[in-house]
Amino acid sequence: DGGITQSPKYLFRKEGQNVTLSCEQNLNHDAMYWYRQDPGQGLRLIYYSQIVNDFQKGDIAEGYSVSREKKESFPLTVTSAQKNPTAFYLCATAGLAGDNEQFFGPGTRLTVL
Amino acid sequence: GENVEQHPSTLSVQEGDSAVIKCTYSDSASNYFPWYKQELGKGPQLIIDIRSNVGEKKDQRIAVTLNKTAKHFSLHITETQPEDSAVYFCAAKPSGSARQLTFGSGTQLTVLP
Repeated sequence: DGGITQSPKYLFRKEGQNVTLSCEQNLNHDAMYWYRQDPGQGLRLIYYSQIVNDFQKGDIAEGYSVSREKKESFPLTVTSAQKNPTAFYLCATAGLAGDNEQFFGPGTRLTVL
Repeated sequence: GENVEQHPSTLSVQEGDSAVIKCTYSDSASNYFPWYKQELGKGPQLIIDIRSNVGEKKDQRIAVTLNKTAKHFSLHITETQPEDSAVYFCAAKPSGSARQLTFGSGTQLTVLP
């Protein structure tokens, strides 16, 4: 997991509430990513950011929002518009925008009741 | 966009035997192919990767082969050990900083003692 911290490890929320997942890195990496993982499926890209104050939608951005105000931090908000938010969420970083190798954090398991 | 298919979804082998996991990709522009290992409840960890200018790469008991013509690549694990039990993901990435990794759906490998 290196220098990538995701907190908390487990998160429970009631349906209809927004929730923010934290991702912090001390690797001095420029690029950061959020993926969603569901059982029996691969990782799907939600949002990514290649530089501070800029981010791009991934394949499944609907119902999610992000910000990149600091190089070290890339929080993900799961909004009430996300129809099926229960999943394992993974944050990743890469040294430079376009770098191939990505490093993953330990993940946050979100359960919406 | 890129589409990556991975087989098999589950694989059981006896300790000491070899394991092979195969992936196919659709975008001929893909030139980077990593393999990740994910243990239960943790984030994926890069175990080996290959770029399109080589056909094979080895790292101790792990090897990856790439056939660009057929658009498929494979992970080979020899002399399997119980600690190799995990979910393995392949991925592919086309060249260009705006292009992102696309993951396969994963293979649950179980090494039986």
